[in-house]
Amino acid sequence: QVHLVQSGAEVKRPGASVKISCKVSGYRLAEISMQWVRQAPGEGLEWMGGLHPENGKIVYAQKLQGRVTMTEDTSTDTAYMEVTSLTSEDTAFYYCVIGTYFFDPWGQGTLVTVSS
Amino acid sequence: EIVLTQSPGSLSLSPGESATLSCRASRSLSNIYLAWYQQKPGQTPRLLIYGASSRATGIPDRFSGSGSETDFTLTISRLEPEDFAVYYCQQFGSSAYTFGQGTKLEIK
Repeated sequence: QVHLVQSGAEVKRPGASVKISCKVSGYRLAEISMQWVRQAPGEGLEWMGGLHPENGKIVYAQKLQGRVTMTEDTSTDTAYMEVTSLTSEDTAFYYCVIGTYFFDPWGQGTLVTVSS
Repeated sequence: EIVLTQSPGSLSLSPGESATLSCRASRSLSNIYLAWYQQKPGQTPRLLIYGASSRATGIPDRFSGSGSETDFTLTISRLEPEDFAVYYCQQFGSSAYTFGQGTKLEIK
């Protein structure tokens, strides 16, 4: 059974960057399509980007293009997601999730708070 | 980008009743690309339905999905107290995923 464990909560100043990790167990990272989804407090779910399930390329949501970078370390089965130039609108729970055409399972989430 | 519009925005029902949640896509999509999730306060989303009508592992059969092209429905029969939550539909298309804005199912 696949299990995803994310890094801990972060507090960042506006303009800073944040990098979140997602450790995969029970499966090899190279064999799955990792996606990232975020959810601002009290709001809905927003897909940020991830590995295209059909062509294996990393695809980013248009809204976040240029500010988000997703990488993978297959030697440690750990995925990373970095967001730069943070603003208060980036305050959210960030989830890694395994996704082909649907998302399952999900990591436990990482709260990123952007505040001056 | 395909936009998903869920209705109603909120729904108040009593345990034992049935709930019908709608998800409308801005253009036609294949059934295999439509999923439903349940999210309770303070919890991560949980996959309920994938491929428009297939229940995920461990999901009770009172949850059912249907629909095609642009109109999809999640039906919850015989509501249990633990079913009151927010429900999201999600699709994959044109190399991007989108979610509906959610339907909040509340206890009447």
